[in-house]
Amino acid sequence: NAGVTQTPKFQVLKTGQSMTLQCAQDMNHNSMYWYRQDPGMGLRLIYYSASEGTTDKGEVPNGYNVSRLNKREFSLRLESAAPSQTSVYFCASSERERNTQYFGPGTRLTVL
Amino acid sequence: GENVEQHPSTLSVQEGDSAVIKCTYSDSASNYFPWYKQELGKRPQLIIDIRSNVGEKKDQRIAVTLNKTAKHFSLHITETQPEDSAVYFCAVPYEQSSASKIIFGSGTRLSIRP
Repeated sequence: NAGVTQTPKFQVLKTGQSMTLQCAQDMNHNSMYWYRQDPGMGLRLIYYSASEGTTDKGEVPNGYNVSRLNKREFSLRLESAAPSQTSVYFCASSERERNTQYFGPGTRLTVL
Repeated sequence: GENVEQHPSTLSVQEGDSAVIKCTYSDSASNYFPWYKQELGKRPQLIIDIRSNVGEKKDQRIAVTLNKTAKHFSLHITETQPEDSAVYFCAVPYEQSSASKIIFGSGTRLSIRP
């Protein structure tokens, strides 16, 4: 039981490049989330998916897109990376929305 | 609107003393209020949560108190130990049309002085 996994662990992009961050959970959870955490800052919600087939915007969705591929997988895409998107990205899942969130190990992204 | 404020942003206490972190929120009808702990370089993990309208929940040295009327809830850590040094986050669910959006506070960096 791996919990929540994220790939890659580290990534360096140049401004304007695109990439997809992958997230998968093996706990049969319905809800999945993407957060960003800037240095010394809190967790800001980018997008979330309450259940398979649905996605909703969070606090800071601009510049990102998401896909809930199936119940296990929730990916985050940066179409044209900007230096302001340099951050640590955490994926999380929970059985339902008002339950414990289990976080992945994070992806450290640097945009030059 | 959705607003979650957490205070203080930093807190330093002597080992063995108590620490209290407060979270205030606006416009949420949620009955679920969690606290997460994030150690340096690690992922956030749930340490305690509460589901009630008014009340308190304890788990060994950790407790959470909730006052829904006043829209605030607090984390209490007693007999602090070095391993309590971390960043602590509160979180509040906000109802949307199809789901609940979970908003985190900005975090409190707790340092335990030996």
